[in-house]
Amino acid sequence: GQQLNQSPQSMFIQEGEDVSMNCTSSSIFNTWLWYKQDPGEGPVLLIALYKAGELTSNGRLTAQFGITRKDSFLNISASIPSDVGIYFCADLKAAGNKLTFGGGTRVLVKP
Amino acid sequence: DTGVSQNPRHKITKRGQNVTFRCDPISEHNRLYWYRQTLGQGPEFLTYFQNEAQLEKSRLLSDRFSAERPKGSFSTLEIQRTEQGDSAMYLCASSALRGSGANVLTFGAGSRLTVL
Repeated sequence: GQQLNQSPQSMFIQEGEDVSMNCTSSSIFNTWLWYKQDPGEGPVLLIALYKAGELTSNGRLTAQFGITRKDSFLNISASIPSDVGIYFCADLKAAGNKLTFGGGTRVLVKP
Repeated sequence: DTGVSQNPRHKITKRGQNVTFRCDPISEHNRLYWYRQTLGQGPEFLTYFQNEAQLEKSRLLSDRFSAERPKGSFSTLEIQRTEQGDSAMYLCASSALRGSGANVLTFGAGSRLTVL
């Protein structure tokens, strides 16, 4: 079945740094969604992408839907401590609006 | 409306016991979803309802699991004869059926199950 691979699996950030993560799929997507999950909470939608090549921003977050429709990246600019968490990419299936999630990128603060 | 509410937030039980989780979705949302999330993984789809009808069940939903949404509002997820492998976070989400919110699933904070 469809697989979503996220990289890196984890990363350390220092306040003020820009960070980038990506997601690749074994099949073509129609919708890319990026979620963030804080410890002990459910995922929260950050950005939704609906068209190949689409570039969308939400504050310090920017995400792009790859031209091949098989990948997407998420950038965080000028990171702050509250950016710590797990970031998931997800595919939205039109039938029933079911989500398939990637394994996540865990963002941690540099000690 | 304060969003999707799940209870209990944490449940510790002994193997073989039955547990039930409740989800109260956003009031105007027709669709309600259950997902399971194990440590270090993304959430996995279990089942979803449109109003009171259960429209799809994943292969992950063994016969020990049953979900209901009797009046098309809140939903319950029951696990019978729990096993240690059932330990996970059980997430509920809801969405509108139509309009601009139809593609947006709003998740609850989850119910964490630990089976000893």
